[in-house]
Amino acid sequence: QSVLTQPPSTSGTPGQRVTISCSGSSSNIGGNTVDWYQQLPGTAPKLLIYTTNQRPSGVPDRFSGSKSGTSASLAISGLQSEDEADYYCATWDDSLIGVIFGGGTKLTVL
Amino acid sequence: QVQLQESGPGLVKPSQTLSLTCSVSGASISSGYYFWTWIRQPAGKGLEWIGRIYSRGSTTYSPSLKSRVTLSLDTSKNQVSLKLNSVTAADTAIYYCARGEWPLHSLDIWGQGTMVTASS
Repeated sequence: QSVLTQPPSTSGTPGQRVTISCSGSSSNIGGNTVDWYQQLPGTAPKLLIYTTNQRPSGVPDRFSGSKSGTSASLAISGLQSEDEADYYCATWDDSLIGVIFGGGTKLTVL
Repeated sequence: QVQLQESGPGLVKPSQTLSLTCSVSGASISSGYYFWTWIRQPAGKGLEWIGRIYSRGSTTYSPSLKSRVTLSLDTSKNQVSLKLNSVTAADTAIYYCARGEWPLHSLDIWGQGTMVTASS
């Protein structure tokens, strides 16, 4: 069981806006920035959002990240079929002294 | 363009040592404030952080694996190595190496991963 809690799955229709939550504690999300990774089927994860709300070059602005207290969120607007993937949040944990990942959320585009 | 490529035996016997290499091209593993991380993913499951090694050689390991893991740099070959001893079936997974840059903990470049099965 992951220290960071994500919903196992979510879904949306093309064009819709979806959000994925990531819940942690004061020793991780509460005191550190959050990253989000997208893993398309059969491929390696790809950095989607870093330091909570920054997009690497090439990531569409349809993807955005935010944080409030000990929870973080990834929002995807204008949902597209190619967004169907697994999404993972990650952050540093001050107690464990290491990086922790959420359990992942499978996004299905209906 | 920085690229990472994992390699190593695809099959390891239980109780033996898993040894993997991450070959880095397009950047020197010993320069700057980069660190090199190993992550693994059992089939159908989530990501697990194994540990990281900085360009100067300092390391941080996952508490759950710390007693069995060793990361090292081979600057002559520009490679990062992972050794995990006393493997069991629970260590069966895809193993990824990835790059990050201090002071961030995000991983901006990933290798394609290599599958390792622990079985007799």
